[in-house]
Amino acid sequence: DIQMTQSPSSLSASVGDRVTITCRASQTINTYLNWFQQRPGKAPHLLIHGASTLQVGVPSRFSGSGSGTDFTLTISSLQPEDFATYFCQQSYTLYSFGQGTKLEIK
Amino acid sequence: QVQLVQSGAEVKEPGAAVKVSCKVSGYTLTELSIHWVRQAPEIGLEWMGGNDPEDGKTTYAGKFKGRVTMTEDTSTDTAYMELSSLRSDDTAIYYCAADGRYIHGWYGPAFDPWGQGTLVTVTS
Repeated sequence: DIQMTQSPSSLSASVGDRVTITCRASQTINTYLNWFQQRPGKAPHLLIHGASTLQVGVPSRFSGSGSGTDFTLTISSLQPEDFATYFCQQSYTLYSFGQGTKLEIK
Repeated sequence: QVQLVQSGAEVKEPGAAVKVSCKVSGYTLTELSIHWVRQAPEIGLEWMGGNDPEDGKTTYAGKFKGRVTMTEDTSTDTAYMELSSLRSDDTAIYYCAADGRYIHGWYGPAFDPWGQGTLVTVTS
């Protein structure tokens, strides 16, 4: 099984900050990496697929990069609605998720 | 617009089975790849299994093999996930999700959209 490790597990930031979340796969997954946002009490919502392709309707302040085993999600200027939990997911061999990064207001 | 609507919350005793439904609208179920993911507070998101509409095959995660069955009723565009021999650590929110490749034409699998989730509580 492919293990996905996210860091940090939690992050405090302020509106307007630039933040980066990383995700590492236990083996190469090419660019079969997706990012989700989850707000409390809601289902995960797809932000980015294929490591860097923004889902339609997702603000351009979100971006993704990486290939192989190391990936990043960047939010260029945090907005109040961005404070949520973020998950990465590999879809190279079956599917597995990172443990999540909780983004909190400082 | 594709929407997935799940059945309501369930409370079950240990050893029982639960069957959760996922009604598809805006698309035909036979053209979709439906997956099931669960989320427990200390465990995070776990993929349980899903189907491939190209060959009709359903693949289950090793952890759940022998306990989970995923089926479809194409007459009502409804997918089902049944989990048997329930234990307290099966208490979780269960989600269905569609593989967006078959809706949006992406090259790689990605889950979008998702159902709203179904809370399954296992308690004696």
